[in-house]
Amino acid sequence: NAGVTQTPKFRVLKTGQSMTLLCAQDMNHEYMYWYRQDPGMGLRLIHYSVGEGTTAKGEVPDGYNVSRLKKQNFLLGLESAAPSQTSVYFCASRPAGREYEQYFGPGTRLTVT
Amino acid sequence: RKEVEQDPGPFNVPEGATVAFNCTYSNSASQSFFWYRQDCRKEPKLLMSVYSSGNEDGRFTAQLNRASQYISLLIRDSKLSDSATYLCVVNRDNYGQNFVFGPGTRLSVLP
Repeated sequence: NAGVTQTPKFRVLKTGQSMTLLCAQDMNHEYMYWYRQDPGMGLRLIHYSVGEGTTAKGEVPDGYNVSRLKKQNFLLGLESAAPSQTSVYFCASRPAGREYEQYFGPGTRLTVT
Repeated sequence: RKEVEQDPGPFNVPEGATVAFNCTYSNSASQSFFWYRQDCRKEPKLLMSVYSSGNEDGRFTAQLNRASQYISLLIRDSKLSDSATYLCVVNRDNYGQNFVFGPGTRLSVLP
């Protein structure tokens, strides 16, 4: 099993450009999450999904959109990137009934200039 | 005030030392508690859950004090491979949708 994978690993965007980050998991997990991690701060939840076709806002959703058309994939979109979105983005998944363990992907380092 | 606070560190300790990390949380309704480990430029990984009665996993001991809203992690006989950032994580509910991560405490174990 590959676990949780993220594409791309690195990206540099100019202000105003758009992009989509892809998260894929092969563990048949129900729940998926997108976080961002900034220096000196804990991971902050952007959006999450409790199952295929459903999404919900987390703590810092502004400027991002998500979709979960297939159970194994969770996409994070930036419609118009801003320098404040420079961060490391982590995707995570977990199975239903095991709220204590989230499995994280390796992260995507995004820089917006 | 952040909902979950930790000693920022870094903690620089020699191999074999015992080191303790503290974490406080402000939401008294928090349900469950964890320690995650994050290596430099890597993803976080679950180290251990924290139970009310305290729990141990090898060289690692976690304690929870609900009255004081305080969590601790003790590492005995530190190894070089323990060097990492340790994240205190609090779950606000029983559904796993409300994980709150602390900013982390960095540990460097020196030879």
